Order: sequence, then C-alpha cells, then structure tokens
Amino acid sequence: DTGVSQNPRHKITKRGQNVTFRCDPISEHNRLYWYRQTLGQGPEFLTYFQNEAQLEKSRLLSDRFSAERPKGSFSTLEIQRTEQGDSAMYLCASSLALGRNTEAFFGQGTRLTVV
Amino acid sequence: GQQVMQIPQYQHVQEGEDFTTYCNSSTTLSNIQWYKQRPGGHPVFLIQLVKSGEVKKQKRLTFQFGEAKKNSSLHITATQTTDVGTYFCAGDSSYKLIFGSGTRLLVRP
Repeated sequence: DTGVSQNPRHKITKRGQNVTFRCDPISEHNRLYWYRQTLGQGPEFLTYFQNEAQLEKSRLLSDRFSAERPKGSFSTLEIQRTEQGDSAMYLCASSLALGRNTEAFFGQGTRLTVV
Repeated sequence: GQQVMQIPQYQHVQEGEDFTTYCNSSTTLSNIQWYKQRPGGHPVFLIQLVKSGEVKKQKRLTFQFGEAKKNSSLHITATQTTDVGTYFCAGDSSYKLIFGSGTRLLVRP
C-alpha cells in the first residue's frame, strides 16, 4: 500500500504528557497537511509544509503544538503538556501540488485520547 | 481568516430522493474540492473545480462552482444507501485547504 501512513493509529495518554505522531506521505508528494477533527466537525487546519518548509501554522494552534518535516519526507506532530481538549483525531494529508491540481490524500488518522 | 461554511448540517432522505449541500467561502478561492467521509473513515477526494461557473458530473453527482469562485454545491440525484456519509467542501486559497463543517447524509432504505 503506497498511500499516506500514520502512526500510531491510537494513543491514550495522561494529561500533561507529551505525544508525538508520525505521518509518511505518498513518496513523490511535495505538500503535507496536518488537520484535527472532532466528532461531527470538519477537519480543522493545523499546519502545512511545502517540501521541508512549514509555510503556515493555524493561529488557533497553541505553542504546545509543533510540527516538523525534515528533508521533506515524513512529518511529525508533537503536542506538549497534553490537555483533555486535545482529544481528537489527528489527520495527515499529502498532495502533489502541480499546476492547479491539489487533490489531497488522507491517512487513516491517529486518534488521541487524553485522560 | 478564511472561513468555509456549509449547509445543511444534516440531511435525512428517503432512498431515491435528491440531496443538495451548499458551500460558501468568505474569500475568493483558487479552486474548491469535495470530499466524502464514511462513518469511521477518513476523507476521500471526490472532485476539484477550478474555473468560474464550472459544472462537473460524476454519474449521479453534480458539482458546481460559483461565478465569483466563492460558493459551490453538490447535488446527488436519486440517492442510494451507498451515498451515506459526510460530504465536505474544501476551499483552496493561499495554497492551504480549509474544510467546511460538512453535511451528513442519511438515507432511509
């Protein structure tokens, strides 16, 4: 399967702990997105990368969230000092931004539960 | 910041009835995309519209992009139980995708 891969699929953590999620995009894709989704809501934009450059980070995102994409390949999303409100599905998507076609392919997501 | 609004939030139809969801952006978009998410699944790309006034069809699905490139609609003719899921529009502006809140479609067999 050469789709977008996210690990882990599920994470349960205690409040105050740090967590890190990994996303492996489709190999030739130059753009990578992170979204957060809660029940009954649409994916909420967090940040995105063009190759290794992080081009934008949502203003809604606190300083506890950080993302990296070293060498423009896989990406990691870290949440420090987790809070119960961080419980959500974290989705990664990638696209090959070529001309006007920016179709995004999503991974299965990482479901975070903060207890 | 850019906002994408979608209505209705829910639509419950009898199998065979039509369904429409509407999407409106606060800013002009370079393109708009539509995704479908089945319960427990992740969003799956359906289509992308780029040109002002563009209309595209996929079997029973018809997608429209407004003349001002700020609104869009998805219409499903004669719904089937396989159409169940949540339909999201996503506006592409400044190279990022901003999703609407989605319309959840339920189909009574």
